[in-house]
Parts: sequence; structure tokens; C-alpha cells
Amino acid sequence: EIVLTQSPATLSLSPGESATLSCWASQNIAVHLAWYQHKPGLAPRLLIYDASNRATDIPPRFRGSGSGTDFTLTISSLEPEDFATYYCQHRHTWPVSFGQGTRVEL
Amino acid sequence: EVRLVQSGGGLVKPGESLRLSCAASGFGVLGYDMSWVRQTPGKGLEWVSSISNSGSYIYYSQSVRGRFTISRDSARNTLFLHMRSLRVEDTGVYYCARALEVVTTIFGYWGQGTLVAVSS
Repeated sequence: EIVLTQSPATLSLSPGESATLSCWASQNIAVHLAWYQHKPGLAPRLLIYDASNRATDIPPRFRGSGSGTDFTLTISSLEPEDFATYYCQHRHTWPVSFGQGTRVEL
Repeated sequence: EVRLVQSGGGLVKPGESLRLSCAASGFGVLGYDMSWVRQTPGKGLEWVSSISNSGSYIYYSQSVRGRFTISRDSARNTLFLHMRSLRVEDTGVYYCARALEVVTTIFGYWGQGTLVAVSS
């Protein structure tokens, strides 16, 4: 079973700053990684799939990178609506799984 | 437009059963891989179960295997999660999700979530 570890648990930033979120896989998952944004009371939203592909209507300030075991989600110039919890998720093998999340807060 | 509308959550006692529904529109539930994901209190997202578009492959997380059953009804274009022998630790918000493409576990579209509370 593949374990995803996200870091940091919480990121305290201000609008306009950049956020760098990390996700490490316990074994090689190629580029089979997605990133989701989750706000309280709302459904999760797909941001990035296959490590670096932005989903439909996702603004270019969201950028995914990495392969193998090390992955990064970068949010350049945070907008007020970007404060949320972010999860990585692998689809390399069954069972698929999520990381424990990184909360981006003011 | 792809839409997933969930129903069926509620408050139940440990050991009881519940069925969650996820009515789809804008596509056919038999045409895509479909899944259930939950968020338990104080924890993050947890994958629960998936069914392939063909129905040939069904997967469950270890925590629900043997107690939960995923199924589909083409006439109602609806995905279901039948939950039995519910435990306190099953409490959470359950989301249905559709694959981004036909066959994949990239969760591209999500339902609004439904709350399941298991308490004595």
C-alpha cells in the first residue's frame, strides 16, 4: 500500500504570497498524482492531474510538478479564495489514497 | 453539464444500515468509473470504494470491505453505496465522484456530499 505524506500540515500566508506544498510517496508512482482543493461545506475540486496537468478552468497560478516520489503544488500570488485545504492523491495502484492534507491559512 | 446529486445520509446507531444515492445527469453512470470518498471528523479525505465503467472491477478500502457494497442502476442513472454494520468510525461526509475520463481514478467531478452520523 502506497502512503502519501504531505508537508507542511499548515501554511500561514497572506494574499499575494506564494505557497509551496509538498507530497511524498512511499514508492515510485511515476506521474500518477492529483491535487485537490477542499473548502469546508463544499465538494473537493480537482486542480491538477498526472502531476502537472491543470484541470479545466483552473487558473495558471496553480502549478504541479514532480515525478517518482516527490511532488510539489505551487500557488503563485495567493488570492483570497485560495485559502483552503489541499490534498494529493495517487492512482498508481489499488488502493488509491490521499495524503493527510495541507491547510493554507491566513 | 455533469451533475451529481447525493441523498440518503442520516443518523443511525452502531450496527445499523444505510444506503447512499448519487443521481447523475449529463452523462451515464455506466459510462465512467465511479467512486465514493469520505471525510471523517478531524481527518482528511479517504477513498472508500470504486466501480469500473464496465462493472467488472470493484474495489473497497480495507476499512469497509465486507460491510459496504457499491452498485449502479442504469434506469435511474444512479450510483449507490449500501452500508451495513455501521461503526462510529464510519461517521463523516460521504462524496460520490466521477472519473475525469472514462477509465481512471482521477476524481474529476464530485457530488455535494452527504453526512452520515453513527452514534448510540
